[in-house]
Amino acid sequence: GENVEQHPSTLSVQEGDSAVIKCTYSDSASNYFPWYKQELGKGPQLIIDIRSNVGEKKDQRIAVTLNKTAKHFSLHITETQPEDSAVYFCAASRSGGGADGLTFGKGTHLIIQP
Amino acid sequence: DAGVIQSPRHEVTEMGQEVTLRCKPISGHNSLFWYRQTMMRGLELLIYFNNNVPIDDSGMPEDRFSAKMPNASFSTLKIQPSEPRDSAVYFCASIRDRSNTEAFFGQGTRLTVV
Repeated sequence: GENVEQHPSTLSVQEGDSAVIKCTYSDSASNYFPWYKQELGKGPQLIIDIRSNVGEKKDQRIAVTLNKTAKHFSLHITETQPEDSAVYFCAASRSGGGADGLTFGKGTHLIIQP
Repeated sequence: DAGVIQSPRHEVTEMGQEVTLRCKPISGHNSLFWYRQTMMRGLELLIYFNNNVPIDDSGMPEDRFSAKMPNASFSTLKIQPSEPRDSAVYFCASIRDRSNTEAFFGQGTRLTVV
């Protein structure tokens, strides 16, 4: 089955700086890669996703890149703000959209230092 | 819409007791997923339903775990008998359909088995 590795497990950055979280996956058939943000006491919430026919996607301060050859994808957050502090999860799915469930990475605790 | 609703939010039970977790998906969504979150193993898919039919239960850890979806607006996850290692946060998520697969998560049920 699919295996998703995520690094780092904890990331501390100064407010206003950029943060990068990286993930690798094992199943070359995976074609959908969402990123979720989880705040304390809440369920994960989708923040951005990318499909295998696209190499990069951007939404305001958040961007995701995908390298299918190397089987890795990354989340980039620019101009970080205190409200970006949370746990971020990458995930992968081979069903074309996550309709058959997601395999998650272990998560990255992002801390934004004031 | 109120989102995915899970109950209870917290459950403390003694080892050997039966535990039932409940989920109400977003109205109109036709797939429902149960995930378990622990520090050691992260977020794991346990089982998912499509149009109330269980599709893949390969993530269910043991026969002590069972899940049902008697109608489109309700699902249960039951553990009988419960064990301390079942302590985790259990999430329910729903998606609209296979072409619109953003997964919406509930707030989770924190289960503690003592």
